[in-house]
This record gives sequence, structure tokens and C-alpha cells, in this order.
Amino acid sequence: EVQLVESGGGLVQPGGSLRLSCAASGFTFSSYSMNWVRQAPGKGLEWVSYISSSSSTIYYADSVKGRFTISRDNAKNSLYLQMNSLRDEDTAVYYCARDAGDYVWGSYQSYGMDVWGQGTTVTVSS
Amino acid sequence: EIVLTQSPATLSLSPGERATLSCRASQSVSSYLAWYQQKPGQAPRLLIYDASNRATGIPARFSGSGSGTDFTLTISSLEPEDFAVYYCQQRSNWPLLTFGQGTRLEIK
Repeated sequence: EVQLVESGGGLVQPGGSLRLSCAASGFTFSSYSMNWVRQAPGKGLEWVSYISSSSSTIYYADSVKGRFTISRDNAKNSLYLQMNSLRDEDTAVYYCARDAGDYVWGSYQSYGMDVWGQGTTVTVSS
Repeated sequence: EIVLTQSPATLSLSPGERATLSCRASQSVSSYLAWYQQKPGQAPRLLIYDASNRATGIPARFSGSGSGTDFTLTISSLEPEDFAVYYCQQRSNWPLLTFGQGTRLEIK
């Protein structure tokens, strides 16, 4: 069964740090790009970060750039999100999601996110 | 940033009825639009990619159409399990993906 399982969420004070993990199983993790997407309480979805299969390409939303770091360990089938300098507005459920994409004429095309974890909750509060 | 506006915010229908959900982009996204379904307490599920292509395992009652700035998700005959929140998402400005604010489809 194709599965993603997040962990590492919790309660943290403003300015604090947290490291999220996402364990993949049931597919060849090293062949897929991955994303982190978050959802604040009662709100919509917000894309946070992207990492290519080999970690050669990484992108961040402006709202987290300079504070969050995405990484992966293909040998451990795991994706990570290091979150520093956390703010109240970072409070959300964080999902890892597999990117459904392919290379077309040498250019990567992302068609969407086709496998999602169940999410892990991050609460930033004093 | 490309802004996606979904309408209506809430749609009240009965099982068996046809649902039509709209997503409008602030600028052209060509056909680079996806739709997701999210049920309470669950992760989103990819339904449609590139405006009109059903993702793997998605029933034929779900269809997508549109291009440029105006897109539609249609559910031809609502099943009880279809009542959920639906989000559109553009990839025209990849990797800076953006989502719409969602349409809640509720049972009338």
C-alpha cells in the first residue's frame, strides 16, 4: 500500500523550532519529488515547499523562506521539514504529499499531488 | 501571485443531483489546473489534473473543464460520499502553487 506518515508535530513557543518527518512506503520514494502543504485551522490549503527526487531542486513559499528547510533521505525513504523561528501564523496541520510529475522535453511538469499523508499538527503559542 | 477564486462558497444539493463548482484565476493558467476533494479530518485527494484529466481511481461522475481563467468541476450525480470541500490549484506558476479558498458541498 502506498503510504505517507508524518510525525514530529507539537506545541512550540513563538521563536522556537520543530522538525517534521514523513515516512514513505509502498512506492519507490527516490523516484518522486515531494512537497509539504499546510492548512491552518478552519482555513484552506497552502503550499509550503518542494524538493526534487535527488534534492537538487528546492523551492519555498515566500511565507517560510529563510526559516524552513526541506530535505530528504532516500536511503531511509524519509522527507523532513526543519522549521525555525516559528510564528503564530505557522500554526497548521502539515501534510507531506507526493508530486505527480514527469519530465516533458527535459522540463519537469508537476500535475498535482497524488498521495498525501494524514498530517501532523503544529501549534505555535506561548 | 496567481489568485484563484472559487464559487459558490457553499453549495447545498441533494444526492442524485448535479453539482457544478467554479474556479476563476486572476490571470490565465492555460489548462494547468487541478481539483482536490477533502473530507473532514482527512487529507486532500487529487481528483482532476490539467483541467480535465481524472486522476487514477476517480469515478467517471467527476469531470473537469475549462481553460485560461475559468474552470468548472462537475459531479454528474451526487453520491453521499461526495459531500466534502473541494479546492482548485494552479500549476501555471510552478513551483509557486496556489489553491482556491474552497467550496463546501453540503447535503440539502
